[in-house]
Amino acid sequence: DAGITQSPRHKVTETGTPVTLRCHQTENHRYMYWYRQDPGHGLRLIHYSYGVKDTDKGEVSDGYSVSRSKTEDFLLTLESATSSQTSVYFCAIRGGASDTQYFGPGTRLTVL
Amino acid sequence: GQQLNQSPQSMFIQEGEDVSMNCTSSSIFNTWLWYKQDPGEGPVLLIALYKAGELTSNGRLTAQFGITRKDSFLNISASIPSDVGIYFCAGPTYSGAGSYQLTFGKGTKLSVIP
Repeated sequence: DAGITQSPRHKVTETGTPVTLRCHQTENHRYMYWYRQDPGHGLRLIHYSYGVKDTDKGEVSDGYSVSRSKTEDFLLTLESATSSQTSVYFCAIRGGASDTQYFGPGTRLTVL
Repeated sequence: GQQLNQSPQSMFIQEGEDVSMNCTSSSIFNTWLWYKQDPGEGPVLLIALYKAGELTSNGRLTAQFGITRKDSFLNISASIPSDVGIYFCAGPTYSGAGSYQLTFGKGTKLSVIP
């Protein structure tokens, strides 16, 4: 257990509304990541953070923004949700100095 | 960007059978990781490989880091119903300022018939 929680775990929202997903970790890890998972695409990186206020884009960053104002929290925001953003979102942390990542339980987001 | 090709995409096997799956890349990786995802859960790290040619076991699972550094293999012996899930390979890439991210294969979905 890497001490990662995600909230909410499930959310249904309407097109055009803003949505924020939260990832919280308890072990002071420097690196945090947001992925989305869709059938046929596997896990795709949206954004990641390598420290407080340090973030960078991943493969599928369009339509998403992130913020990290403190070590333990990494927020993913959909400024104006679209149906194409219906997905399962996973947060992950890098395990210390290793090349491994550990994942949270996921958030299932449905945009109607 | 780098891509990892996993095969097969899915497989149906009888309980008790052995399973083999692999992951290939056009680029060299210095680390290979294998994850398993149960339905409705996040991926869980099974095995990490750090050296070309390395063979590592975790219970009934054995993974190998290919000599060319461009492939890796995962074998499951004597499959049981709880082996059902999606298996992902992953490899790290590095960019400036020490930033690091993982590239994932699209997964192998395993179904076990009792």
